[in-house]
Amino acid sequence: SQQGEEDPQALSIQEGENATMNCSYKTSINNLQWYRQNSGRGLVHLILIRSNEREKHSGRLRVTLDTSKKSSSLLITASRAADTASYFCATDAAAGGFKTIFGAGTRLFVKA
Amino acid sequence: NAGVTQTPKFRVLKTGQSMTLLCAQDMNHEYMYWYRQDPGMGLRLIHYSVGEGTTAKGEVPDGYNVSRLKKQNFLLGLESAAPSQTSVYFCASRPSMYYGYTFGSGTRLTVV
Repeated sequence: SQQGEEDPQALSIQEGENATMNCSYKTSINNLQWYRQNSGRGLVHLILIRSNEREKHSGRLRVTLDTSKKSSSLLITASRAADTASYFCATDAAAGGFKTIFGAGTRLFVKA
Repeated sequence: NAGVTQTPKFRVLKTGQSMTLLCAQDMNHEYMYWYRQDPGMGLRLIHYSVGEGTTAKGEVPDGYNVSRLKKQNFLLGLESAAPSQTSVYFCASRPSMYYGYTFGSGTRLTVV
């Protein structure tokens, strides 16, 4: 079963608006990662946030982590048409091991 | 700086045929992974390796074998292809479990 579950499954916004995607997970984690995938391409790593961190920024991206609620959010500010892609969260379990569990993704469409 | 390179990019197999997918990384990463991506299901881990000469099963290993004879290469073999193995296959690597992944561009495999 999937550890990470993204919400919503699909999101359509206008260029310039902010986009927020959420991720929930079930077990304690070591870290949580966000990836972007353009159609027909490989995944690109965006941000990794560790379990003892609450917020991280990278350019127009802001990621928050709430371990008490087992959830994370990815905010893209001032979205652009080029941000159109699928976004995945992924978790590494705190129990160890070397496996990462990926969610099914949120499809973001930014209209110009 | 090639990152992770997958070959081939596309392949069509007949049921029962065998093939090998090659993954090469030039970042000196210890950990390498093979995932498959099917519509609406996110990524599922097939096999992974935490170092040269080591391999381990992931979530969906049946019908696949792997080898990591050299640190930079991770091979995925299909012994007897089945239509259920039609998918997009991604190779990924990372230095350790405390970092995000670098993904290859994928191999689109169709089994007829």
